[in-house]
Amino acid sequence: AQSVTQPDIHITVSEGASLELRCNYSYGATPYLFWYVQSPGQGLQLLLKYFSGDTLVQGIKGFEAEFKRSQSSFNLRKPSVHWSDAAEYFCAVVPNFGNEKLTFGTGTRLTIIP
Amino acid sequence: GAVVSQHPSWVICKSGTSVKIECRSLDFQATTMFWYRQFPKQSLMLMATSNEGSKATYEQGVEKDKFLINHASLTLSTLTVTSAHPEDSSFYICSAQRPGATDTQYFGPGTRLTVL
Repeated sequence: AQSVTQPDIHITVSEGASLELRCNYSYGATPYLFWYVQSPGQGLQLLLKYFSGDTLVQGIKGFEAEFKRSQSSFNLRKPSVHWSDAAEYFCAVVPNFGNEKLTFGTGTRLTIIP
Repeated sequence: GAVVSQHPSWVICKSGTSVKIECRSLDFQATTMFWYRQFPKQSLMLMATSNEGSKATYEQGVEKDKFLINHASLTLSTLTVTSAHPEDSSFYICSAQRPGATDTQYFGPGTRLTVL
């Protein structure tokens, strides 16, 4: 079955430390891949997206993600987190062009400690 | 940027009543809007796809008579939860797409519905 998996429900990191959030997908072909962040009281904000081309994608707020076809993964990274990065992060996919429906992973809650 | 608003941000209602949630694209015209439902500490589940001027397309398992969607203009879609019951309590989120840019959805801040 087609699915998006975020193995980590909750991650805690210290401010200034590096971050990696995992995302795996199970689709027949490479889907379009997205990372969104959800903060309380705010709508989901798109951090970055991958459709094709360079497998290392740069996004907003200093985030980047790397697409690895061999591992069916699209992990989100940030070299140094800030307290304002505390939020819920969702990986999402669109199966292919023309199919607009987003399927979300279960999300990873990020807590930042001083 | 593309801004999407929702109103109200939260609502409490009695069981059996109906509640309408508005979703507006403030600075662009949205031919397609989506409605999602999010349970606490869970992911977003697509409920329906709303196209301006046509009937909404509901996902499997979503009761179309319970969740009425109207997309009367290019900037407004509404979700009406009819005869609400406590199990309808949830966080409802809408998103909108720009015409010709179907690769990205812009999300509203969500509406918290509590049915007593």
